[in-house]
Amino acid sequence: VHLQESGPGLVKTSETLSLTCTVSGGTVNNGGFYWTWIRQHPQRGLEWIGYIYYTGDTTYNPSLESRVVISMDTSKNSFSLELKSVTAADTALYFCARDNYFYDSGSRESKFDSWGQGTLVTVSS
Amino acid sequence: SYDLTQPPSVSASPGQTASITCSGEKLGNKFVSWYQQKPGQSPLLVMYRHTKRPSGIPERFSGSNSENTATLTISVTQAVDEADYYCQAWDSGTVIFGGGTKLTVL
Repeated sequence: VHLQESGPGLVKTSETLSLTCTVSGGTVNNGGFYWTWIRQHPQRGLEWIGYIYYTGDTTYNPSLESRVVISMDTSKNSFSLELKSVTAADTALYFCARDNYFYDSGSRESKFDSWGQGTLVTVSS
Repeated sequence: SYDLTQPPSVSASPGQTASITCSGEKLGNKFVSWYQQKPGQSPLLVMYRHTKRPSGIPERFSGSNSENTATLTISVTQAVDEADYYCQAWDSGTVIFGGGTKLTVL
């Protein structure tokens, strides 16, 4: 499976960041995976933003929940990220990834076995 | 919120063993995954379910998890292993990443 992010590389402060992840070699309409957005601030670690299931159910990072919407377009085999009211602190490399999850004895494993190449989004006035 | 703690840096000489730890409360009860990230590249899954290696990951990579600490071990470390390594777990519906460890192969 191949994932490819697309969207503007520059967003103005207070506006909405919008990115799309197009999936090839597999379908997003598949209950075996959660489709995920992850970001990485410059020279920093990874931060999980949230994910969407094929049913449309979503879960978001509590620290971003008030500003994030993740949606899916099965006709385009893609899923998207919207992050509202952005500031310079949202400048980061944004990745989409596939969570090949697993459940066992009430515990869940989340593992990201396919990633996009990442797209750098800069927020500036 | 749940936290995963990693040492900022670890070093090893070529041919030696490098161990990278990841600490969290009752981490032994959770499934831990590990990722390798080289400069300019996307993260690569190198270990999951504590001890399982994805296809294509060399056997010199191994993992363990007990009580509050998970460990990624790289035996016979090579220069190509120099990278940032992140642990990751799932907790209460959310995904948590450790802060990352920079492995330097001297």
